[in-house]
Amino acid sequence: ETGVTQTPRHLVMGMTNKKSLKCEQHLGHNAMYWYKQSAKKPLELMFVYSLEERVENNSVPSRFSPECPNSSHLFLHLHTLQPEDSALYLCASSQDALGNEKLFFGSGTQLSVL
Amino acid sequence: GENVEQHPSTLSVQEGDSAVIKCTYSDSASNYFPWYKQELGKRPQLIIDIRSNVGEKKDQRIAVTLNKTAKHFSLHITETQPEDSAVYFCAALAYSGAGSYQLTFGKGTKLSVIP
Repeated sequence: ETGVTQTPRHLVMGMTNKKSLKCEQHLGHNAMYWYKQSAKKPLELMFVYSLEERVENNSVPSRFSPECPNSSHLFLHLHTLQPEDSALYLCASSQDALGNEKLFFGSGTQLSVL
Repeated sequence: GENVEQHPSTLSVQEGDSAVIKCTYSDSASNYFPWYKQELGKRPQLIIDIRSNVGEKKDQRIAVTLNKTAKHFSLHITETQPEDSAVYFCAALAYSGAGSYQLTFGKGTKLSVIP
C-alpha cells in the first residue's frame, strides 16, 4: 500500500538541530497519528489528530511539536532532541479517530540523534 | 490505563507447523483487538482483528481467539510459510479519557519460519 507516505526515510541530526518529519495520506481519512517505535518496546502513540484538531497528546516532551495543516498532511517538528529519542517514527491514518478501525501506516522515518 | 502483555517475544517454527502468539490485557472494558504484522524494514499492516462480541475469527490460515473472562486473546497461524516470518503486534482498544479511545500495543513477537 502506498496510501501513507513519509519523508525523509532516514534522518541523522545533532542535539542542537531543528528538523521536521513529513507525512501525507492519500486515502481521504479524517484521523492521523504519530507513533514512536523503539527496539524491544511497544509502539507508543504520541499524537492523534482528528479533522486537523489534536485529540490526544500522550505526555510527549515539548521538543516534539506536531502540526496538522489539513487532513492530508501531518508534520512532526523536532528540536533539541536527546540520543534516547533515536527511533523509528511512524505516521498512520484511519477513517476516523475512534480507535476501532484499521490503521494505515507509513514506512517510517528512522531517526538517529547524535 | 490499559496494559498489554505479549508472549513469546521470539518464536521459531518449522515450515508447515503452527504458531501461536498470546496476549493479555488489563482493562475489562477493552472491546477491539487487532493484530499487525511488520516484515523487516517495512510498515506494520493489519492482518486480522476481533471485537468483543465475537469469540473467534478466521481468515484462511490465520485465526484469532478471544477470552473476555480471562482477558486474553491469541493469534494462530497454521501451515506456516517462510513469508510469515515477521514481527507480530497485538493491541487492545480502551477508553483513555476525555471522550477518546486509544490502542495499546504489545511489545511484539518475532516469528521465524525455518524452511
